[in-house]
Amino acid sequence: QKEVEQDPGPLSVPEGAIVSLNCTYSNSAFQYFMWYRQYSRKGPELLMYTYSSGNKEDGRFTAQVDKSSKYISLFIRDSQPSDSATYLCAMTREGSQGNLIFGKGTKLSVKP
Amino acid sequence: ETGVTQSPTHLIKTRGQQVTLRCSSQSGHNTVSWYQQALGQGPQFIFQYYREEENGRGNFPPRFSGLQFPNYSSELNVNALELDDSALYLCASSNGQGVGNEQFFGPGTRLTVL
Repeated sequence: QKEVEQDPGPLSVPEGAIVSLNCTYSNSAFQYFMWYRQYSRKGPELLMYTYSSGNKEDGRFTAQVDKSSKYISLFIRDSQPSDSATYLCAMTREGSQGNLIFGKGTKLSVKP
Repeated sequence: ETGVTQSPTHLIKTRGQQVTLRCSSQSGHNTVSWYQQALGQGPQFIFQYYREEENGRGNFPPRFSGLQFPNYSSELNVNALELDDSALYLCASSNGQGVGNEQFFGPGTRLTVL
């Protein structure tokens, strides 16, 4: 079993839809959780960063962490064609020296 | 504020050759991490440099090596290139080595090994 599982998609939604992206993980020591957005042939861009369990909101984006279920989510409200990209979840634990463990990424397409 | 920059953008090498990739960290950041991203996969941690020393290493063989310079820029060197080394190599910088510090990525260097 991989440490971080993420459905690669592709996921296609109409403009304005609410998008839900998810990752599951197996290592209960993970405490720091991130979502990155990666456009084609570009480096990942940090979108959301959360510590431990709970919710965090930033504009149209909401990140949720449920440590009891080892499950994290990213919600995108009022999705736009410019949101079309690959979304990567990443996580790490104390003492890892910043070694981020990534999911495979979910490719999202928002159709006008 | 200047973001993370990497050079070159693209590179083509043949099997057995050696390659050096370069990274300049974001202004104010003193820690650089390198990742390898194969096509259709998430990035995989290679190693991290802090204060010019290797500060953590992923599951990569010794032919992957690096350097960090006093200005915090960094190099990734790969010897005896193999076909499977073809990937996007990403550099990320952060302010400090602590696990809670956010990592910001550069655009990457796309390496093709023929």
